[in-house]
Amino acid sequence: GESVGLHLPTLSVQEGDNSIINCAYSNSASDYFIWYKQESGKGPQFIIDIRSNMDKRQGQRVTVLLNKTVKHLSLQIAATQPGDSAVYFCAENKKTSYDKVIFGPGTSLSVIP
Amino acid sequence: DVKVTQSSRYLVKRTGEKVFLECVQDMDHENMFWYRQDPGLGLRLIYFSYDVKMKEKGDIPEGYSVSREKKERFSLILESASTNQTSMYLCASSPGTRYNSPLHFGNGTRLTVT
Repeated sequence: GESVGLHLPTLSVQEGDNSIINCAYSNSASDYFIWYKQESGKGPQFIIDIRSNMDKRQGQRVTVLLNKTVKHLSLQIAATQPGDSAVYFCAENKKTSYDKVIFGPGTSLSVIP
Repeated sequence: DVKVTQSSRYLVKRTGEKVFLECVQDMDHENMFWYRQDPGLGLRLIYFSYDVKMKEKGDIPEGYSVSREKKERFSLILESASTNQTSMYLCASSPGTRYNSPLHFGNGTRLTVT
């Protein structure tokens, strides 16, 4: 399953499928990007980050892709599990401006067993 | 693991009351932040602090103040609570390194002002 831009706040995927969550960031000067996961009743939790000198970074079952040309960020979750159900936020930041974190509106991921 | 602890999960206060939200982090982080999270508006920065006794306004500081007397503790104060301050409040911290690093969030305080 795949979300399209910031205007599709929900995404449903079948357990075991791959999920792709997209994010369009706003500031061309941003050079640090983070994905957070927020489960119901909890605060956002860091998943993975990427700096602007990279275009891909992999973690455990997650991959972040950065396309600076079109200011686009995506989070790929492999073999999606029920525990992945949450709201996912992208965030952008400019080096030396740690206070100027800009959060996306979030995408709600629901995993269908 | 970094632990950011917010003293209350749920609070109900009356209009006009002075409200204190407390946050403690245990990883010696220099930076601490207060956000509020509202449906459709996302996370908005209220105040932040990069050192003890230092504070800076975020995007929506009106109606709030903060206190940072010790490095590990950052308090958010609603001087006179109003119904439009009903929200989820999230505290976060990060190390004061040269390069940016992720925020570590607490689990939030859901405040209702009646």
